[in-house]
Amino acid sequence: QSVLTQPPSVSAALGQKVTISCSGSRSNIGNNFVSWYQHLPGTAPKLLIYDNNKRPSGIPDRFSGSKSGTSATLGITRLQTGDEADYYCATWDSSLSAHVVFGGGTKLTVL
Amino acid sequence: EVHLVEIGGGLIQPGGSLRLSCAGSGFSVSNTYMSWVRQAPGKGLEWVSVIYSDGSPLYADSVKGRFTISRDTSKNTIYLQMNSLRAEDTAVYYCARDTCHDGTCYQDSWGQGTLVTVSS
Repeated sequence: QSVLTQPPSVSAALGQKVTISCSGSRSNIGNNFVSWYQHLPGTAPKLLIYDNNKRPSGIPDRFSGSKSGTSATLGITRLQTGDEADYYCATWDSSLSAHVVFGGGTKLTVL
Repeated sequence: EVHLVEIGGGLIQPGGSLRLSCAGSGFSVSNTYMSWVRQAPGKGLEWVSVIYSDGSPLYADSVKGRFTISRDTSKNTIYLQMNSLRAEDTAVYYCARDTCHDGTCYQDSWGQGTLVTVSS
């Protein structure tokens, strides 16, 4: 069980918008940067968002990140079928002897 | 362009050992942190180990004392020596390059993964 809580699944219609939440505490999200990853089965995970809201080169602006207090949110607009994947939030937790902690992951279904 | 390729996975009996390799290109493993992350069947991502740029390691509690991370800078490769393997170590193992600042790291490049199956 992760210290970062994500909904197991979310769904939204093609072309619409969806948000994925990541809830933590002061020892992790509350005092550290959050990153988000997209993972399609059988492929390498891909960094989508780092430092709460920055996008690496090549990631479209349909993907956005935000953080407030001890929670973070990933937003995806103009949903495409290719966005169907698992999404993970991650950060550092100062109360654990771990380099990074991942959320449990959220399966996105595009209807 | 950064590229990571893992090899070394396979089927191994409980209690056995396996060594994974991760060859990097487009950057130097000696100048950065490198992590191993795994995904067990039907589960999420789990951080396993990191080797810092000074060569020092850190391990998840679940593998501490059984796994050893190392690197060969002449080959630009990192390794994960896995001993005393258990069924619960069955997973796809990914290596990743870390970028860190202000105490937080993120994994900006990942390999395609290698499957380790621990079963009799």
